[in-house]
Amino acid sequence: NAGVTQTPKFQVLKTGQSMTLQCAQDMNHEYMSWYRQDPGMGLRLIHYSVGAGITDQGEVPNGYNVSRSTTEDFPLRLLSAAPSQTSVYFCASSYQWTADRTFFGQGTRLTVV
Amino acid sequence: AQSVSQHNHHVILSEAASLELGCNYSYGGTVNLFWYVQYPGQHLQLLLKYFSGDPLVKGIKGFEAEFIKSKFSFNLRKPSVQWSDTAEYFCAVNARIKAAGNKLTFGGGTRVLVKP
Repeated sequence: NAGVTQTPKFQVLKTGQSMTLQCAQDMNHEYMSWYRQDPGMGLRLIHYSVGAGITDQGEVPNGYNVSRSTTEDFPLRLLSAAPSQTSVYFCASSYQWTADRTFFGQGTRLTVV
Repeated sequence: AQSVSQHNHHVILSEAASLELGCNYSYGGTVNLFWYVQYPGQHLQLLLKYFSGDPLVKGIKGFEAEFIKSKFSFNLRKPSVQWSDTAEYFCAVNARIKAAGNKLTFGGGTRVLVKP
C-alpha cells in the first residue's frame, strides 16, 4: 500500500533512554518532515528534509537527530529521552515543495516516564 | 517566519448547526493555505487548500473556506454539521518559496464536538 509508514505506533521510554522512530514512504517523495503534536499547540516541525542527504532543523529540534540516507527513509532519533518529549509524532512526505498533496503517517504515541 | 492562530480551542454544537472556524496567519509573503481534519485516533487528512485563484474554495465533506488577503484570514465553514464531523481541525500555511520546502506551520487546532 502506498503511503507513509511509521513504526512503532506506541512506545514507552524511561528518562535517559534513546530510541529511533522509523518513517518510510514508497512514493518517491523528495520532501519529508517530522512533527510533534501536543494539546493546544497543533503540530510543530522538528526536522525536515528536501532530499537524500539534506536535512535541516525545524521549530523544535532540540533533543532530536535525523538523517536521510535514502529517499524512502527518514528516521527520527531521540538521543536521551525526557518527559517533555512525551507527544504524538507524525512523519509527513510530499512530492512538491509547495506542500501540496502532503501525506501523513499514522503517528507514534511516545510516553517518557 | 510565519505563524498561525486559531481563535477557538473548543466548539460544541448540535447537528444541523452551522460551523465557522477562524484562522489568521502572519507572514510577509505569499502563502499556500490548508485546513486539515483529524478524527479521533487517526492521522491528519486534508479538507481543502488554497493556492491561488478564487478565494472561496470547496473541499471534501461539504466544507468550504474563504481566503481574505486583507485580513490574513482563511476561515473554514460548513452550513450544516453532522455528528461525524466531531474531530479536531487544523489550519496550516506553507510559505510559497522553494527554500521553505514543504514545511507547514500549524495553528493550535480547534476541537469540534457535534452533539446528536
